[in-house]
Amino acid sequence: DGGITQSPKYLFRKEGQNVTLSCEQNLNHDAMYWYRQDPGQGLRLIYYSQIVNDFQKGDIAEGYSVSREKKESFPLTVTSAQKNPTAFYLCASNSNEKLFFGSGTQLSVL
Amino acid sequence: DQQVKQNSPSLSVQEGRISILNCDYTNSMFDYFLWYKKYPAEGPTFLISISSIKDKNEDGRFTVFLNKSAKHLSLHIVPSQPGDSAVYFCAALRGTGANNLFFGTGTRLTVIP
Repeated sequence: DGGITQSPKYLFRKEGQNVTLSCEQNLNHDAMYWYRQDPGQGLRLIYYSQIVNDFQKGDIAEGYSVSREKKESFPLTVTSAQKNPTAFYLCASNSNEKLFFGSGTQLSVL
Repeated sequence: DQQVKQNSPSLSVQEGRISILNCDYTNSMFDYFLWYKKYPAEGPTFLISISSIKDKNEDGRFTVFLNKSAKHLSLHIVPSQPGDSAVYFCAALRGTGANNLFFGTGTRLTVIP
């Protein structure tokens, strides 16, 4: 069954801690994206990768890092530098300008 | 600066009636528009799209209308069903690549049985 898998569904971060959100896709899409959704706001682009071993900053990249060592995987690390990390994080890949989203990870700060 | 705006954060409609969700944009360079539907704690799913060379696109109960001169598009759902209750995001694309995709803030639709 093709799709995008995000894990975990819920994640808690302690102050000063880095946490990594997983995103895996088996759609054979080249491009992958990370978005952040806050209540009452649209999706904002954090990072994107159009090909393996390459990625670009989006609109709100500060406090985040990514890697793209494999086509299928695009993990997002929320670093301690991100002062307001509580949000719903969505990973996506795209085909013909249509984005396919994972089911999201809700990150909360303890 | 929000280039894509959905000014109604919520909308309630009776089952069987028409739902009209509105979206305005400011950048005349947008040439492709999409609507996504999102249930709580899930990722958005693609619903319908329209190219700027068209003014209407229909898919079953869903129709999107585009008024380029007014920089306005709308999504019509007829007839509305309780399962349509979700948050609807409008998105606009400039050029190619989803990194050039801009999302609105969403409208929460509630269809009342």
